[in-house]
Amino acid sequence: DTEVTQTPKHLVMGMTNKKSLKCEQHMGHRAMYWYKQKAKKPPELMFVYSYEKLSINESVPSRFSPECPNSSLLNLHLHALQPEDSALYLCASSQDPGALYQPQHFGDGTRLSIL
Amino acid sequence: EDQVTQSPEALRLQEGESSSLNCSYTVSGLRGLFWYRQDPGKGPEFLFTLYSAGEEKEKERLKATLTKKESFLHITAPKPEDSATYLCAVHSPTGGTSYGKLTFGQGTILTVHP
Repeated sequence: DTEVTQTPKHLVMGMTNKKSLKCEQHMGHRAMYWYKQKAKKPPELMFVYSYEKLSINESVPSRFSPECPNSSLLNLHLHALQPEDSALYLCASSQDPGALYQPQHFGDGTRLSIL
Repeated sequence: EDQVTQSPEALRLQEGESSSLNCSYTVSGLRGLFWYRQDPGKGPEFLFTLYSAGEEKEKERLKATLTKKESFLHITAPKPEDSATYLCAVHSPTGGTSYGKLTFGQGTILTVHP
């Protein structure tokens, strides 16, 4: 079982809906990440949070809004998404974003479908 | 720009037929090379971290090695349950910050037939 928990596992939403994806880890990690993965492609980094502060935004459209309420939780708020945003959204965590050689541990993702 | 290239794109093996997957990389300031396994509908599962050229790591039927330009994932006597996509990723500084970023290869889809 993965130590990074994501909910919901599946989400179907219309282009005008507002929804949120949630991620939780209890490994004491201080870096958390959101990735987007399209079918048969590798994960692509979206955001990095370090010590609960947004450190990296990989030029992600504003219809994706991340939030880190505390060191264990990470949310991704979705609004006015487009059909091309349908993908597997993965959350990951690591001990420290600047630490050498630290692996990232991934959750099983939320499968998002935009109608 | 950091680049990671994996080959082959897909590999079909018979059970027990050993083989290797390749990951070649070009990166400035390598902070580790990682191997992950990903099953359909699941997130990547961490397998190995490699730190420096010459290093080797083993886990069950898998052995990962690292040189200055590439890494290999050797699979000895594979079983059908080893079927998955294997992803290689390098960790390097990003955007002038001290933060690291994972750059993934495209993955190798491994199918092991009984």
